[in-house]
Amino acid sequence: DTAVSQTPKYLVTQMGNDKSIKCEQNLGHDTMYWYKQDSKKFLKIMFSYNNKELIINETVPNRFSPKSPDKAHLNLHINSLELGDSAVYFCASSPYTSGGPGGQYFGPGTRLTVT
Amino acid sequence: AQSVAQPEDQVNVAEGNPLTVKCTYSVSGNPYLFWYVQYPNRGLQFLLKYITGDNLVKGSYGFEAEFNKSQTSFHLKKPSALVSDSALYFCAASSGNTPLVFGKGTRLSVIA
Repeated sequence: DTAVSQTPKYLVTQMGNDKSIKCEQNLGHDTMYWYKQDSKKFLKIMFSYNNKELIINETVPNRFSPKSPDKAHLNLHINSLELGDSAVYFCASSPYTSGGPGGQYFGPGTRLTVT
Repeated sequence: AQSVAQPEDQVNVAEGNPLTVKCTYSVSGNPYLFWYVQYPNRGLQFLLKYITGDNLVKGSYGFEAEFNKSQTSFHLKKPSALVSDSALYFCAASSGNTPLVFGKGTRLSVIA
């Protein structure tokens, strides 16, 4: 059984388009995250939700809007895509708020390419 | 501000030799420390963690890490490297009520 799943795995789109990435976890965790991994493999947190409530919102353009319909899902919607948005986006979940002692469980990633 | 440093971008080691991937951290209070591994085109997989207790932590795939409070380090080690260990390794730290901060990653290459 997949613990943290993301769809789609690959996403190729043109500048200016709007796209969404979906994430689901079946671990019963209360906290979910979105991370961006750039071409140099640097991993940076974007958002964190605890039980559907936004708790972390790092310096991310407001073109990025997370939505959590329930605590098992955290979707990422991106408006007006730009070339610099090309990256791999990882969803993660954790039983604890913020860092916590439990670590985080990552999804397989969504490779977004903006042309 | 919290930070994690992985001073080596790349570590090369011969198969069968011991390996070390270095990590130092800066966290206020008691740290929660983690190692993750990323294989090509895959997500991050949890390897091991230090929360409290014994300074030597054992994890998956024969890896271990040693917590050194005085040196603020949490180096990842394995006594005998395998070619299949070749991957990207991330160290991460948190104070428990702050977001997890990741190092920039170290690419391990094990040569047969």
